[in-house]
Amino acid sequence: QVQLQESGPGLVKPSETLSLTCTVSGGSISSYYWSWIRQPAGKGLEWIGRIYTSGSTNYNPSLKSRVTMSVDTSKNQFSLKLSSVTAADTAVYYCARVASGSYGLWYFDLWGRGTLVTVSS
Amino acid sequence: DIQLTQSPSFLSASVGDRVTITCRASQGISSYLAWYQQKPGKAPKLLIYAASTLQSGVPSRFSGSGSGTEFTLTISSLQPEDFATYYCQQLNSYTLTFGGGTKVEIK
Repeated sequence: QVQLQESGPGLVKPSETLSLTCTVSGGSISSYYWSWIRQPAGKGLEWIGRIYTSGSTNYNPSLKSRVTMSVDTSKNQFSLKLSSVTAADTAVYYCARVASGSYGLWYFDLWGRGTLVTVSS
Repeated sequence: DIQLTQSPSFLSASVGDRVTITCRASQGISSYLAWYQQKPGKAPKLLIYAASTLQSGVPSRFSGSGSGTEFTLTISSLQPEDFATYYCQQLNSYTLTFGGGTKVEIK
């Protein structure tokens, strides 16, 4: 049974870089797209971007200038870096698996439990 | 970006009620829509994809319909475990977007 687990600092200072890692267990990271999604407290879901195991990426245009995603297939992990953070970046960050690379099937069939990242000095 | 508008934002219902949630897209997205259920403190759970295909393991009281710009999620007989927030997500453009959510609470 494939499981996803987010890890990383729960507190980041303003203007610094948020770094999170998602570890995939119980299955291979290969041949899937993987995504990051975030949710501020009491608010809705925002897609951050996705990465294929080849390293190919698509980012949300609203965050594109600050986002970098990477993948390490040897560790079955993929990562998120979000630079120049502000309080508006405080949210629960989820990693998720994209069910298929086929057009129109980019829904998320597996999710991590989420990790709260707070931006504060 | 394609915008998704869910209605209502909040819904109060009783166990056994039939519940319908609507998701409208700002432009046509064919059948490229998914629905998720989220309970407090938990990650979203996939219910339906391709507008009407039930994800494996999801009870048959959940159903989805629609295409183009208007979609519905229906719960045929609301159960206690269905009280949650529901989100739609469009899968049509490379920038994936979610609706604002519909919170279903106990009447």
